[in-house]
Amino acid sequence: DGGITQSPKYLFRKEGQNVTLSCEQNLNHDAMYWYRQDPGQGLRLIYYSQIVNDFQKGDIAEGYSVSREKKESFPLTVTSAQKNPTAFYLCASSGTSGRAYEQYFGPGTRLTVT
Amino acid sequence: AQSVAQPEDQVNVAEGNPLTVKCTYSVSGNPYLFWYVQYPNRGLQFLLKYITGDNLVKGSYGFEAEFNKSQTSFHLKKPSALVSDSALYFCAVRDSRGSTLGRLYFGRGTQLTVWP
Repeated sequence: DGGITQSPKYLFRKEGQNVTLSCEQNLNHDAMYWYRQDPGQGLRLIYYSQIVNDFQKGDIAEGYSVSREKKESFPLTVTSAQKNPTAFYLCASSGTSGRAYEQYFGPGTRLTVT
Repeated sequence: AQSVAQPEDQVNVAEGNPLTVKCTYSVSGNPYLFWYVQYPNRGLQFLLKYITGDNLVKGSYGFEAEFNKSQTSFHLKKPSALVSDSALYFCAVRDSRGSTLGRLYFGRGTQLTVWP
């Protein structure tokens, strides 16, 4: 988990409210990612960003939004349009130079919406 | 299309016995392959990766993985399992061709349980 922080660890919201999850990294990585994890479904990519002020939709972007105003930060907003937002959310980062590079993950935020 | 399959949802092994967690992949070009481990309510931790070269890759905590191109597999192994190895293991792949963005495709995970 070193180098990437996610806050808070647990988050509770009422249905219909937007909520923003924080992700900060001090690894000087250009690329950052948001994943959603549900039991038995592995990791599904929500959004990713290769560079500041640029990001792309992943496989399940509907109901989510992101921004990348600083290299170190990639916050994720879960909007009220997301039909089933309760899940474990993981942020990751990686370098982009060289041929191959692993992603480093934060500790995750568990969001519960009732 | 890139994809990863982990055919076993669960693997159970006795402490001290060897363990294998299976992974097969599909990519258009040459694969970059990764194994991660996740403990409950934590993020994923990187274990090892295969880029090129020796088919046997050694990683953290005594784990190793064997790349087999003909079988498109990258099974994770450990000669002697520990109770503390009990966790969720993910295999991931990236195609060596295409954009330099390191998007990985993950398997659904295999829950490893090592009993005393």
